[in-house]
Amino acid sequence: GIQVEQSPPDLILQEGANSTLRCNFSDSVNNLQWFHQNPWGQLINLFYIPSGTKQNGRLSATTVATERYSLLYISSSQTTDSGVYFCAVGNDYKLSFGAGTTVTVRA
Amino acid sequence: EAQVTQNPRYLITVTGKKLTVTCSQNMNHEYMSWYRQDPGLGLRQIYYSMNVEVTDKGDVPEGYKVSRKEKRNFPLILESPSPNQTSLYFCASTSTGKAYEQYFGPGTRLTVT
Repeated sequence: GIQVEQSPPDLILQEGANSTLRCNFSDSVNNLQWFHQNPWGQLINLFYIPSGTKQNGRLSATTVATERYSLLYISSSQTTDSGVYFCAVGNDYKLSFGAGTTVTVRA
Repeated sequence: EAQVTQNPRYLITVTGKKLTVTCSQNMNHEYMSWYRQDPGLGLRQIYYSMNVEVTDKGDVPEGYKVSRKEKRNFPLILESPSPNQTSLYFCASTSTGKAYEQYFGPGTRLTVT
């Protein structure tokens, strides 16, 4: 199966800081998504981004499919950004998830 | 409101006692799947369904069954639960068309003693 590596595994930020999360994957994909799992366990779809760049408020993501990586940018972080960020990649409907990056934003 | 619902949200049971976790979506999605989440392992797919009466194994199907008799429902069945099935379970449904966006239910925390 497709291997998905996320880095860093843990990230501690001061409120207002910017950060970049990375997702590397081992094979060609036509499906890549970023999810946020909040401290209560809820999984929210952030981006569907198999290629290119998207922005949604303070979050943006870029996928360079030819080089098999994706980046998630968090700008002006807030305490509500805390949680685990998962990258999931695959083809069509089948996704393989990375182990996640745990983000803690301190006030 | 578009959503995926799961029941129960929390369940404590004993080894060998059959249980079913229900999943329902109101978005008319054809593709649904079940995942389990364990610390340090991310989410691993258990089973998925491409449409009514079409199901297939994911990465960790052992000890689980599923059925898809209606488009909106995709129950997960543990016929003889064991302690190693203690986990957090998520049901998901995926949009069709140009984007395969996946939407998750709220999760079911299962403890098997």
